[in-house]
Amino acid sequence: DVKVTQSSRYLVKRTGEKVFLECVQDMDHENMFWYRQDPGLGLRLIYFSYDVKMKEKGDIPEGYSVSREKKERFSLILESASTNQTSMYLCASTSGTRRDTQYFGPGTRLTVL
Amino acid sequence: DAKTTQPNSMESNEEEPVHLPCNHSTISGTDYIHWYRQLPSQGPEYVIHGLTSNVNNRMASLAIAEDRKSSTLILHRATLRDAAVYYCILRGYLMDSSYKLIFGSGTRLLVRP
Repeated sequence: DVKVTQSSRYLVKRTGEKVFLECVQDMDHENMFWYRQDPGLGLRLIYFSYDVKMKEKGDIPEGYSVSREKKERFSLILESASTNQTSMYLCASTSGTRRDTQYFGPGTRLTVL
Repeated sequence: DAKTTQPNSMESNEEEPVHLPCNHSTISGTDYIHWYRQLPSQGPEYVIHGLTSNVNNRMASLAIAEDRKSSTLILHRATLRDAAVYYCILRGYLMDSSYKLIFGSGTRLLVRP
């Protein structure tokens, strides 16, 4: 079974802190994604990566950056956390060839105080 | 991107079939219809997808209208574990590598024992 893991299920940070969210997949997938999920807004794409060291902005990249140094790991970075970044963050991956299915991690619920 | 419209919520009795509708009147000829679901406190999971013909898998069936402007996800015998938010998503056959999914607000399915 494909497994996508995220470093934390729950995280509490203070305004202005630098926050790292880690995502690891074990299926050698080329494409990885970071979404955030908010009530009434559904899932929104923040960034995605289709190869190591490659990244592309999604629909709401402001306030975020990403890093993909290894194929299996995709990190989301909040340079200076703000209260409006309190959200559920979901990581997903998909194969470069079988791109029909995205596999999601369990999510990280981040609270910024 | 083409948009989908789903009811906010539906209810079903356990052991009965459930038909979850989705309207996508602006679908283009190369858009695939995907369904994902999100169980409480979990990331979304893939259910099924199709292009023109009806599709069956171990989880569900997908019935696609002849004009492709609507589709229906069919759960043949709802169980309590099927209580989730169901998302109907259109994904184009893109030549780039993004393959991003655009999630709307979905249909919350409640299953009564």
